[in-house]
Amino acid sequence: QKEVEQDPGPLSVPEGAIVSLNCTYSNSAFQYFMWYRQYSRKGPELLMYTYSSGNKEDGRFTAQVDKSSKYISLFIRDSQPSDSATYLCAMGVFSGGYNKLIFGAGTRLAVHP
Amino acid sequence: EAQVTQNPRYLITVTGKKLTVTCSQNMNHEYMSWYRQDPGLGLRQIYYSMNVEVTDKGDVPEGYKVSRKEKRNFPLILESPSPNQTSLYFCASTRGNTDTQYFGPGTRLTVL
Repeated sequence: QKEVEQDPGPLSVPEGAIVSLNCTYSNSAFQYFMWYRQYSRKGPELLMYTYSSGNKEDGRFTAQVDKSSKYISLFIRDSQPSDSATYLCAMGVFSGGYNKLIFGAGTRLAVHP
Repeated sequence: EAQVTQNPRYLITVTGKKLTVTCSQNMNHEYMSWYRQDPGLGLRQIYYSMNVEVTDKGDVPEGYKVSRKEKRNFPLILESPSPNQTSLYFCASTRGNTDTQYFGPGTRLTVL
């Protein structure tokens, strides 16, 4: 079983839809949670970063963490064609003096006009 | 502009021919990493470095070497590439242990 599970999609939605992206994890030692966005032929870029359970909002994006269920989500409101990308969840743990990140496989999102 | 650069961006080579992928960052970051990205498997860490002359294995280090002689550079070396090393490679750097990782644009490697 992978430490981090993420549905690869693809997910196709119309412009303006609310998008929900999800990851589950098995390692209760994970201490912080991230979402990265990766456009085609580009490197991942950090979108959201949170340590604790609950919601964190940034513009149209909301990251949600439920540590008791080992489940994290990213919600995108009023989705735009420019949101079309692959979204990677990542979980972090401090190990041996180093911040180790474990990534999900990524969910490919297409927002069509 | 703060950035991580990688070269080459695309490389096709043959089995056994040694190659080096360069990585450089201009942000004076201490931490640097190499990842490979494969469909269905996501990003997996190959090696990381916490500072000059300090490197350690990640999750998939077999067949790779790294060096960190200068803070800004972290080359990835494949001494004898094999077809199972065909992948998309990313270099990343971060200032502190838990700070944002900045990724390079990626190097697509094909080993025939």
